[in-house]
Amino acid sequence: NAGVTQTPKFQVLKTGQSMTLQCAQDMNHNSMYWYRQDPGMGLRLIYYSASEGTTDKGEVPNGYNVSRLNKREFSLRLESAAPSQTSVYFCASTQDRSNYGYTFGSGTRLTVV
Amino acid sequence: AQKITQTQPGMFVQEKEAVTLDCTYDTSDQSYGLFWYKQPSSGEMIFLIYQGSYDEQNATEGRYSLNFQKARKSANLVISASQLGDSAMYFCAMRERGSQGNLIFGKGTKLSVKP
Repeated sequence: NAGVTQTPKFQVLKTGQSMTLQCAQDMNHNSMYWYRQDPGMGLRLIYYSASEGTTDKGEVPNGYNVSRLNKREFSLRLESAAPSQTSVYFCASTQDRSNYGYTFGSGTRLTVV
Repeated sequence: AQKITQTQPGMFVQEKEAVTLDCTYDTSDQSYGLFWYKQPSSGEMIFLIYQGSYDEQNATEGRYSLNFQKARKSANLVISASQLGDSAMYFCAMRERGSQGNLIFGKGTKLSVKP
């Protein structure tokens, strides 16, 4: 099925551990995004990639790094997880100037203890 | 200042009645898009409806319509004939031409439909 695939769906980390959230889309979209969702805060942009080979910071980039591996894949890395990074993470993609907003992945629920 | 404001943290509506979810936005761009997403308890983000800043008519998609008042910078979502399955979080979002196309979200409104 066409869409955005995120892995893993759930993850528990200890403070200081590292991990990479994977995201892949098969819609040939140029732009990809990582958001985090916290209760009462809506979705906030962490990083985005307007095209293969480019990445830019969003609203809340501290503590994260990203890699646009190719046109399909956009990964998010936590180098040293902190409890403040407990959140639900969404990957999304879109065509440029799309009238249909973004296509979202199903989310990753991350808990840092 | 918030770019997208949703002033109703939670709302209740009786099944089969209509409900309006409020959204106001702030932008200096002339070209922008407004979106509504639904997030059920299962967590996925579902696109509902889109309104372009230059669209003269209000957008409609089935039971969803967007009441777009450009001068007031509001983009309210109207759901007609509410169903139990409409119970969810609803997010208003904006995409500005000047922001490299990034979507900015409001904090959401939790809608509960009562039988």
